[in-house]
Amino acid sequence: EVQLVESGGGLAQPGGSLTLSCVASGFIFSSYEMNWVRQAPGRGLEWISFISTSGRTIHYADSVKGRFTISRDNAKNSLFLQINSLRADDTGVYYCARDQLEVIYNFYYMDVWGEGTTVTVSS
Amino acid sequence: DIQLTQSPSFLSASVGDRVTVTCRASQGISTYLAWYQQKPGTAPKLLIYGASILQSGVPSRVSGSGSGTEFILTISSLQPEDSATYYCQQFNSYPRTFGGGTKVEIK
Repeated sequence: EVQLVESGGGLAQPGGSLTLSCVASGFIFSSYEMNWVRQAPGRGLEWISFISTSGRTIHYADSVKGRFTISRDNAKNSLFLQINSLRADDTGVYYCARDQLEVIYNFYYMDVWGEGTTVTVSS
Repeated sequence: DIQLTQSPSFLSASVGDRVTVTCRASQGISTYLAWYQQKPGTAPKLLIYGASILQSGVPSRVSGSGSGTEFILTISSLQPEDSATYYCQQFNSYPRTFGGGTKVEIK
C-alpha cells in the first residue's frame, strides 16, 4: 500500500525549533519529488515547500523562507521539514504530499498525502 | 505570485443538484490546475489534475473544465458523501498556491 506517515509534531515554544518527518512506503521514494503543505486551524491549505528527487532543487513559500528547511534521505525513504524561530502562526497540521507528473502534457499534481502531524506553538 | 480566488466560499445544495465551484487565477496558468476534496479531520484527496483529467477512482459525476484564468469544478448530481471543502491549486509556477476553499453543504 502506498503510504506517507508524518511525525514530529507537538507543543513547542515560540522561538523554538522542530523537525517534522515523513516516512514513505509502498513506492520508490527516491523517484518522486515531494512537498509539504500546512493548514492552520479552521483555515485553508497552504503550500510551503518542494524538494526534487536529488534534493538539489528546493522551493519555499515566502511565508516560511529563511526559517524552514526541507530535506530528504532517500536511503531511509524519509522527508524532513526543519522549522526554526517558531511563531504562533506556524500552528497547524503539516502534511507531506507526493508529487506526480503526467509526462505527456507535463501536468503536475499531488496524488498521495499523509494524514498530517499537528504543530502547536504556544508558551 | 499567482493568486487563486474561489467562489463561492460556501454553498448549500440538495442531493441530486448540479453544483459548480469557480477558481479564478490572477494570471494565465494554461491548464496547470488541480482540484482536491477535503473532509473534516482528514487529508486532502486529489480529484482532478490538468484542469479536466479525472483521477483514477473519482466518481464520474465530478468534472473539471477551463483554461487560462477561469476554471470550474462541477458535480453533476450531488451526493451526501460530497459534503466537504474543495480546493483548487495551481502548478504553473512557484509558489504552488491554493485557492481559499469552497465548503459544500448538503441541505
